[in-house]
Amino acid sequence: AQSVTQLGSHVSVSEGALVLLRCNYSSSVPPYLFWYVQYPNQGLQLLLKYTTGATLVKGINGFEAEFKKSETSFHLTKPSAHMSDAAEYFCAVSENSGGSNYKLTFGKGTLLTVNP
Amino acid sequence: GAGVSQTPSNKVTEKGKYVELRCDPISGHTALYWYRQSLGQGPEFLIYFQGTGAADDSGLPNDRFFAVRPEGSVSTLKIQRTERGDSAVYLCASRPRHGGRDEQFFGPGTRLTVL
Repeated sequence: AQSVTQLGSHVSVSEGALVLLRCNYSSSVPPYLFWYVQYPNQGLQLLLKYTTGATLVKGINGFEAEFKKSETSFHLTKPSAHMSDAAEYFCAVSENSGGSNYKLTFGKGTLLTVNP
Repeated sequence: GAGVSQTPSNKVTEKGKYVELRCDPISGHTALYWYRQSLGQGPEFLIYFQGTGAADDSGLPNDRFFAVRPEGSVSTLKIQRTERGDSAVYLCASRPRHGGRDEQFFGPGTRLTVL
């Protein structure tokens, strides 16, 4: 079974500072990797995804992530944090565990706080 | 509608009662998922539908949980004899097609509280 580990359940940055949210995964097959964001009382919104090809993936709201196979990592970054980035972020890997389900296996999430 | 919708947005019930949670996927999406998100955790897979049939229900925690999708669009998650441990946010997601690993589109969730 695949798994996802997000280091740091809570990350706090100042407005304008670099955002780095860490994600490591385990997978027995080439992974499809996703970052989702969840604002309070809202559903999950896709930030970006890696499927195949270019390992540096750009997403919405200035976020990007780099797939590093040798490190089994898919860390999320943003050069300059904005107050509106405050939310919970989930890393996920797509896995076929039966019936071609390609279900998502999520990490526990990282709560990002942005201080003025 | 434009996105996945779920009703109700909040449900409070008493221990032992029966509840139904509804999901309306994006029109035309054949793949539908239910996930459960407990406090402080990421969503966990419950069940996957391809069309009308449950292709994988391995994530359902026990036989009190059941889900249907009789016409291949709307799905209902049913929980019998609710327990306090069932309290969580139940998320529905849909995807355009079966067998692909493309993006899943999530609804806003139903927050279930069992007193």
